Amino acid sequence: QKEVEQNSGPLSVPEGAIASLNCTYSDRVSQSFFWYRQYSGKSPELIMSIYSNGDKEDGRFTAQLNKASQYVSLLIRDSQPSDSATYLCAVRNSSASKIIFGSGTRLSIRP
Amino acid sequence: DVKVTQSSRYLVKRTGEKVFLECVQDMDHENMFWYRQDPGLGLRLIYFSYDVKMKEKGDIPEGYSVSREKKERFSLILESASTNQTSMYLCASSYTEAAPLHFGNGTRLTVT
Repeated sequence: QKEVEQNSGPLSVPEGAIASLNCTYSDRVSQSFFWYRQYSGKSPELIMSIYSNGDKEDGRFTAQLNKASQYVSLLIRDSQPSDSATYLCAVRNSSASKIIFGSGTRLSIRP
Repeated sequence: DVKVTQSSRYLVKRTGEKVFLECVQDMDHENMFWYRQDPGLGLRLIYFSYDVKMKEKGDIPEGYSVSREKKERFSLILESASTNQTSMYLCASSYTEAAPLHFGNGTRLTVT
């Protein structure tokens, strides 16, 4: 079992709709969770950090964390073509020594 | 804003060459990391460092070494480049162990 798992996609969502990206992790005592966006040929950029159960909102983005079920999700409201990218889920493991990345979900927003 | 600068955007080297990839951050971050990213394999940690002159192996350290002589600079060294080290190399830094990573622009290395 991979430490951090994401559906590779592509996930195709119409413009203006809500895009929902999911991630599961195996280390039950993980403490820190991050979502990064990566455009083709570019480096990852941080979108959201979340550390406690529940929802965290930032503009059109909402991160949701459920530690009991070991999943973290990212919702993008009012999806725009500029949101088309690969989204990476990252988890800091229990030893806090490193961050583990999922393989990413490719999101495509169709006009 | 945090700035992480990688010295080269593109590099082409020959098999057997010694290759240096340089990374500098300007925010006095304690922690620095080197990843490589390959299609289908995602981001894999090569080495990281929590302090000057300290280094820890990541998941794929074989064929690589690192140097951190100053807090702001973290260098990745390919002792004898091989074609299977052709990849995108990403440097990152973070303020604390719990903080998120900030990435440089990446170096696309091709070994021929």
